[in-house]
Amino acid sequence: GENVEQHPSTLSVQEGDSAVIKCTYSDSASNYFPWYKQELGKRPQLIIDIRSNVGEKKDQRIAVTLNKTAKHFSLHITETQPEDSAVYFCAASIDTGRRALTFGSGTRLQVQP
Amino acid sequence: EAEVAQSPRYKITEKSQAVAFWCDPISGHATLYWYRQILGQGPELLVQFQDESVVDDSQLPKDRFSAERLKGVDSTLKIQPAELGDSAMYLCASRPATGSYNEQFFGPGTRLTVL
Repeated sequence: GENVEQHPSTLSVQEGDSAVIKCTYSDSASNYFPWYKQELGKRPQLIIDIRSNVGEKKDQRIAVTLNKTAKHFSLHITETQPEDSAVYFCAASIDTGRRALTFGSGTRLQVQP
Repeated sequence: EAEVAQSPRYKITEKSQAVAFWCDPISGHATLYWYRQILGQGPELLVQFQDESVVDDSQLPKDRFSAERLKGVDSTLKIQPAELGDSAMYLCASRPATGSYNEQFFGPGTRLTVL
């Protein structure tokens, strides 16, 4: 089955700096890669996703890049703000058949004011 | 905006007791997932339903866990008997019936503590 590894486990940045979280996956058949943000005690919320036919996707301060050959994808947050502080999870799945997501272990991002 | 509903939000039980969790997906979402999230880890799939049918329960500890979605709408996850290692957040998620877009919408979860 799919295995997703995520690094780093914790990340502390100053407000305004950029943050990068990296994930690798094992199943070359995976073609859908979402990122979820989970604030303390709240549900995971989708913040951005990318499909394997695209190498990069951007939404305001958030971007995701995908390298299919190397089987890794990354989340980039620019101009970080204190409200970006949360746990971020990457995930991978095969889009067809409504397969379940395989999640990474999470990155706790702390943005220092 | 429609959301996935779960209850209870918190449950404290003693080991060997039975517990049950309920999930109501977003209306019209045919696919429903139960995930378990141990503190400090990512969610892991327990069971997936398509309408009322189980399509993946390979990671469900069937000696103590059961799940059902009798009418293809809401779902119940049961643990009997609960063990200390079952302490975790139980998340329900759903996704629409049509389209290949795999966005899953999560409920608020049920935090289970087994004493």
